[in-house]
Amino acid sequence: QVELVESGGGVVQPGRSLRLSCAASGFSFDKFGMHWVRQAPGKGLEWVAVIRYDGTEKYYADSVKGRFAISRDNFKNTLFLEMDTLRGEDTAIYYCARHGIGIGVPGASVLLDFWGQGTVVTVSS
Amino acid sequence: DIQMTQSPSSLSASVGDRVTITCRASQGIRNDLGWYQQKPGKAPKRLIYGASNLEGGVPSRFSGSGSGTEFTLTINCLQSEDFATYYCLHHNSYPWSFGQGTKVEIK
Repeated sequence: QVELVESGGGVVQPGRSLRLSCAASGFSFDKFGMHWVRQAPGKGLEWVAVIRYDGTEKYYADSVKGRFAISRDNFKNTLFLEMDTLRGEDTAIYYCARHGIGIGVPGASVLLDFWGQGTVVTVSS
Repeated sequence: DIQMTQSPSSLSASVGDRVTITCRASQGIRNDLGWYQQKPGKAPKRLIYGASNLEGGVPSRFSGSGSGTEFTLTINCLQSEDFATYYCLHHNSYPWSFGQGTKVEIK
């Protein structure tokens, strides 16, 4: 079965960097785009970034553009989020999620279908 | 960028009630929208895609409608397990964006 497991969260000072990972299993990782979504404490969901199945295209929310970088290693079935110049407002649970349709894999919708359980990032001095 | 405005932010309802949640897009997005349910401490769950298509295994009391800029999620005959927060998400173009969420609470 599809499983996504995030790691790498923790407490970090403002201005510092952190790298999140998302280990994928149970599906052909190299056929699916992957996303990061975050949720600040007590707040709603915020879409953060997406990377195409082959890593050739990436898109970001305006709030993180220029500071965050999404990447993937299809040999290791792992998704990454490199977060630089962190701010207090980046404090959140970070979820990785799978694009709903893969290359050559039928699906009902591109909408995110499988999600991890999240990793907590706290930006504080 | 396309912005999603969701309303209400919260509502109180009783078991058996009919509940309606609305999302409005800042520009036309065809039917490139879905709805998610999130319970405390859990990841979101996809309920509806393509504005009106029910995800497999989701009870038929959930329904979605709309196209262009106005979308609605309706829950008929609310059940105890439906008390949660609901979000719309558009996927018309990047960046995608969620609505602000609607918390459905027990009256």
